[in-house]
Amino acid sequence: KNEVEQSPQNLTAQEGEFITINCSYSVGISALHWLQQHPGGGIVSLFMLSSGKKKHGRLIATINIQEKHSSLHITASHPRDSAVYICAVRSWSGGSNYKLTFGKGTLLTVNP
Amino acid sequence: NAGVTQTPKFRVLKTGQSMTLLCAQDMNHEYMYWYRQDPGMGLRLIHYSVGEGTTAKGEVPDGYNVSRLKKQNFLLGLESAAPSQTSVYFCASSYPEQGIYEQYFGPGTRLTVT
Repeated sequence: KNEVEQSPQNLTAQEGEFITINCSYSVGISALHWLQQHPGGGIVSLFMLSSGKKKHGRLIATINIQEKHSSLHITASHPRDSAVYICAVRSWSGGSNYKLTFGKGTLLTVNP
Repeated sequence: NAGVTQTPKFRVLKTGQSMTLLCAQDMNHEYMYWYRQDPGMGLRLIHYSVGEGTTAKGEVPDGYNVSRLKKQNFLLGLESAAPSQTSVYFCASSYPEQGIYEQYFGPGTRLTVT
């Protein structure tokens, strides 16, 4: 079983819809990251969370440490939001906590 | 700042050939990482470095070597390429901020081994 599970794997939405992508993990963590990767493009960090909630524009990320679960929400989705969204966790391993374990990603397609 | 850059962007190798991928960052970051990304799988850590002159193995190190002779550069070498090493390779760098290490990624190198 992967340490980081994302759902859904694929998501298609109409422009303007509210989007939720989920991430569950099985280990104790020191932080959780949400990343965005456009087709053929590089990877950009969206959020880094250790508790609570963060908001940036139309994107909101929440984390529930007790339930080992995080969600990424996109309000008023737009075709330019179409990308792969990747969840990654940082956990203590071998005396360090600077390495990430990644989920497989969620492919989001927003149609006009 | 250019951030994290990778050279080359694309490469095709024949089985058994060797090559070196270069990662450079101008943010004075201590930590650098090499990942590979394959379809249906999450990013996997190949090797990483916590400072100039230091390197360590990640999750999938076999068939790769690395060097960090200068703080700003992290090189990934394939001594004898195999088709299983066909992948997209990403370099990243990070710095400690209150114990949480945000990673900055390069644009990726698409490598095909035939």
